[in-house]
Amino acid sequence: KNQVEQSPQSLIILEGKNCTLQCNYTVSPFSNLRWYKQDTGRGPVSLTIMTFSENTKSNGRYTATLDADTKQSSLHITASQLSDSASYICVVSDDYKLSFGAGTTVTVRA
Amino acid sequence: GAVVSQHPSWVICKSGTSVKIECRSLDFQATTMFWYRQFPKQSLMLMATSNEGSKATYEQGVEKDKFLINHASLTLSTLTVTSAHPEDSSFYICSARDLDRDYEQYFGPGTRLTVT
Repeated sequence: KNQVEQSPQSLIILEGKNCTLQCNYTVSPFSNLRWYKQDTGRGPVSLTIMTFSENTKSNGRYTATLDADTKQSSLHITASQLSDSASYICVVSDDYKLSFGAGTTVTVRA
Repeated sequence: GAVVSQHPSWVICKSGTSVKIECRSLDFQATTMFWYRQFPKQSLMLMATSNEGSKATYEQGVEKDKFLINHASLTLSTLTVTSAHPEDSSFYICSARDLDRDYEQYFGPGTRLTVT
């Protein structure tokens, strides 16, 4: 069964600090890995998409890494802002279906 | 960028009634749309895959007679929750697949359904 596991489940950081979220997956075959940001009561918004050959991709203060050999990915948030408070979901695609992680809830405090 | 809209954004209905949720791709054509359900503090769960002009494919455990899906055009899919019960209260999210953009999926803003 294709699985996507994220850690930590939740974290609290102070504004301006950095944090890293982890994602491990067993999805096969692998097409791409995506990180989404989901604000409370809203739909997910894409942050990054990485294919097998890409090992890092940035979107502003968000940087995602991918190690396709170990099937691990991370999302690094730099200089966090209050607006970064949200759930971050790791999603892995096998060319047709998406497998969702449970998400990491990030709370940024002033 | 690609935009997917949902209507309504929230709805409250009485137990036993039916409610329809619309999902539209505003600036691209989507031959495939997906319907998800999300309970509080949980991730999205795929309910069904909707292909334009054909019957939807439902995930295991999802009642096709309860959750009616229609995908009559390349920009519109609808989900009708029939004979709604309080346990159907959830956040329903659709996504649309853009064939012109390497099969990228774009998510709608979601619809909050509350059944009283």
